[in-house]
Amino acid sequence: AQRVTQPEKLLSVFKGAPVELKCNYSYSGSPELFWYVQYSRQRLQLLLRHISRESIKGFTADLNKGETSFHLKKPFAQEEDSAMYYCALSSGYSTLTFGKGTMLLVSP
Amino acid sequence: DAGVTQSPTHLIKTRGQQVTLRCSPISGHKSVSWYQQVLGQGPQFIFQYYEKEERGRGNFPDRFSARQFPNYSSELNVNALLLGDSALYLCASNQLAGGRTDTQYFGPGTRLTVL
Repeated sequence: AQRVTQPEKLLSVFKGAPVELKCNYSYSGSPELFWYVQYSRQRLQLLLRHISRESIKGFTADLNKGETSFHLKKPFAQEEDSAMYYCALSSGYSTLTFGKGTMLLVSP
Repeated sequence: DAGVTQSPTHLIKTRGQQVTLRCSPISGHKSVSWYQQVLGQGPQFIFQYYEKEERGRGNFPDRFSARQFPNYSSELNVNALLLGDSALYLCASNQLAGGRTDTQYFGPGTRLTVL
C-alpha cells in the first residue's frame, strides 16, 4: 500500500532563511508526486508536481527514488509562504494519498 | 468559473442520522473525487467517479456511498453517522480519466459535525 510521511507537524523559520519541508513515500510502482498548499482561509491548491520539474513561487522539489523522498525547498522564505503544505502521491486515476501536512510559519 | 463548489458549508447532525453532501465540478471536468479530512490529518480518499461510474473507492465502510449525475455533479451520502465521521469533506474535480498527472481542483469543503 502507498504511504506518504511528513515528519514535521510545524516548521518555523525567519524571513530570508532557507526552507526544506520533508516528504518520504512508500509505493511499489512508479510514483507521481505533488505538493499541495493551503493558505489561510483558502482552498487546497496544487503547488507543484515532480513531473513538471518547474519552480513555483521559488519552491522546487526533486524526486529521489533511491531515498524515496520528495522534499520541498526554497532558498529564501517569505512571510507569504506561511501555510499548510501537503505532500501527495498519485495512485491511479488521479486519486491522491496525502501526508499529514506540515505547517510552515515564516516570521518577520 | 467559480471553481468547484460544495454545499452546504457547515452541517451539524446527531449520531445515527444520515447526511448528503453536494459538489459541482468545474465546467468541463468529468471526474469528481471525495476526500475526508479529519482535524490534524491530511485528506483521505473516499471515492472517485467518472462519467457516472465509480472508478475508485478508499478504505471506508459501506455507510459511505456516492453518485454522479449526468451533469457531472456529485453527492456523497453517509448513513448511520458516528462521532468519528466529524470532519471536513472535500470534493475535487479533474478533467481526464486515467490521467495520473491530472491536477485535482479542490472545493472549499463541507464541515460536518456529528454530536
